[in-house]
Amino acid sequence: GAVVSQHPSWVICKSGTSVKIECRSLDFQATTMFWYRQFPKQSLMLMATSNEGSKATYEQGVEKDKFLINHASLTLSTLTVTSAHPEDSSFYICSANSGPGLAGLETQYFGPGTRLLVL
Amino acid sequence: ILNVEQSPQSLHVQEGDSTNFTCSFPSSNFYALHWYRWETAKSPEALFVMTLNGDEKKKGRISATLNTKEGYSYLYIKGSQPEDSATYLCASGYSTLTFGKGTMLLVSP
Repeated sequence: GAVVSQHPSWVICKSGTSVKIECRSLDFQATTMFWYRQFPKQSLMLMATSNEGSKATYEQGVEKDKFLINHASLTLSTLTVTSAHPEDSSFYICSANSGPGLAGLETQYFGPGTRLLVL
Repeated sequence: ILNVEQSPQSLHVQEGDSTNFTCSFPSSNFYALHWYRWETAKSPEALFVMTLNGDEKKKGRISATLNTKEGYSYLYIKGSQPEDSATYLCASGYSTLTFGKGTMLLVSP
């Protein structure tokens, strides 16, 4: 159980185009979804947190108009990189939280990630 | 700022060796410590979530300990196997997690 899919797994695009990445929880309803970015040899960095039906909360330094997040249902969140530029090239990965489990602990279940290369 | 550090950055052991690595985190405002196992081209897999000082969790040959007072956690793998090769991530936090850079483990047959 607790499977999260992410699509596409990789994408190459021209500078100036927009790229949409989908994150789906396949066998559970995700109350919260998270979007991370990872640059080479760096840690996963949280970009934003989204709850179904409400606006995403962005981390400091992440441009909300650049990285559009839509969380339209309890099983789907999308990240759109608008007008992508080479510096946006990175590994983007989502996770989903099914809500508090034992002792109130919440586990994040991750997708496999999307590698974006902007030429 | 919450910083999570992991060491070593990478580790190469022989099949059958036991190994361990460290995750350190700020002990103030601690809530929970998470360990993930991340194989190449796959999704990070949750291993453990720990909250209590002195807690120890075990899953097969893998175990983890937690010291919240001094801010560190150890992950142990007993009798490493090639299929244990992966990057092991730790993260601190409740719903919002701060990750370390991971320890990349390679187990040679």
